[in-house]
Amino acid sequence: SQTIHQWPATLVQPVGSPLSLECTVEGTSNPNLYWYRQAAGRGLQLLFYSVGIGQISSEVPQNLSASRPQDRQFILSSKKLLLSDSGFYLCAWSVLALYGYTFGSGTRLTVV
Amino acid sequence: DAKTTQPNSMESNEEEPVHLPCNHSTISGTDYIHWYRQLPSQGPEYVIHGLTSNVNNRMASLAIAEDRKSSTLILHRATLRDAAVYYCIGGAGSYQLTFGKGTKLSVIP
Repeated sequence: SQTIHQWPATLVQPVGSPLSLECTVEGTSNPNLYWYRQAAGRGLQLLFYSVGIGQISSEVPQNLSASRPQDRQFILSSKKLLLSDSGFYLCAWSVLALYGYTFGSGTRLTVV
Repeated sequence: DAKTTQPNSMESNEEEPVHLPCNHSTISGTDYIHWYRQLPSQGPEYVIHGLTSNVNNRMASLAIAEDRKSSTLILHRATLRDAAVYYCIGGAGSYQLTFGKGTKLSVIP
């Protein structure tokens, strides 16, 4: 069966520090991978998606970047965090959006 | 994706049926209707999806209007564990779903 792992679960980082969140998927090949962010009391905002190794599409300009160094690995990064980067970050995978997404358990990031 | 409209919040008594409405008047003929729910501090989970016919699974039923401009997610017996934000998504690009603000369902014991 397919599983998605996302870590860490919580993270407190100072403003200006770097960020690296990792997501891995098991049990499937060539998944579509996604990073979403949910600010407090808000809806889900799609940040990046990837349909293959090294292929990244960005949905909004921001202080973040994403990379996909391996087929089932998706990394969200920042060189210098801002207060506005605080939120709940979710990784997800799908074969096709039509067939549904599976989300990870999320990382709650607080920038202080 | 089609624009969807959902009530911000709804309440239900425990063990009673819940009907969560969604309007998606701009949906195209080939767009599926998806429902997800998000429990507190968790990622969204898939609930159900359909195209034209009503759909049932172990979690819920989906009733789709004949003109497909609206749909209703039906929870047959609400439990406290069903308290969540429910998202209706009208249509999907090949690679992505766009989530709105959803309906926050509160279940009263």
